[in-house]
Amino acid sequence: DAGVTQSPTHLIKTRGQQVTLRCSPKSGHDTVSWYQQALGQGPQFIFQYYEEEERQRGNFPDRFSGHQFPNYSSELNVNALLLGDSALYLCASSPRTSGGAFGEQYFGPGTRLTVT
Amino acid sequence: AQTVTQSQPEMSVQEAETVTLSCTYDTSENNYYLFWYKQPPSRQMILVIRQEAYKQQNATENRFSVNFQKAAKSFSLKISDSQLGDTAMYFCAFKLGRNNFNKFYFGSGTKLNVKP
Repeated sequence: DAGVTQSPTHLIKTRGQQVTLRCSPKSGHDTVSWYQQALGQGPQFIFQYYEEEERQRGNFPDRFSGHQFPNYSSELNVNALLLGDSALYLCASSPRTSGGAFGEQYFGPGTRLTVT
Repeated sequence: AQTVTQSQPEMSVQEAETVTLSCTYDTSENNYYLFWYKQPPSRQMILVIRQEAYKQQNATENRFSVNFQKAAKSFSLKISDSQLGDTAMYFCAFKLGRNNFNKFYFGSGTKLNVKP
């Protein structure tokens, strides 16, 4: 049973460019959350998708947008890249009804984005 | 607003010894969940242990246990019989309620080095 997968592993972009990161949730999970983890920091919540809609959003500008597909996979898009967008981007999935599991999230290995 | 604070940026422990990582949080809510995640150099975030706020009994998972002090808003992680594989960043995380749509708040992490 595959866990959460993300692609690509690493990415180098130039300021002003646009980037798309991809995530496939763990089997049986239908909710996907995205986090930004700057070097030496904890993950910061970007947004969460369920039923192909953005359900919650953290304190990130509109340059950050996303999408969820019918197969529950998700994309994170960042437009007009800034140097400060350089970070590890983590995807986490969870089942909508977690029973007694506290809605815990399972994380992917992340995509390292470097903006030059 | 919810905040999570980890005041120990880095800690070291000898193999087979015991170490305690500190975490405090701030919330005005009564229904929430607390987690410790481990992030080894491979970057994959792994759930270590979890605790429901309404349970007074401290959670334990093999060599990992927590000291949950609700009144003090403290949630420390004790690792017994430390192993070299425990070397990683450890993040304390907080989630409101049981609904899957609630986002996770993370602390800034503690880097744990287990020395042979």
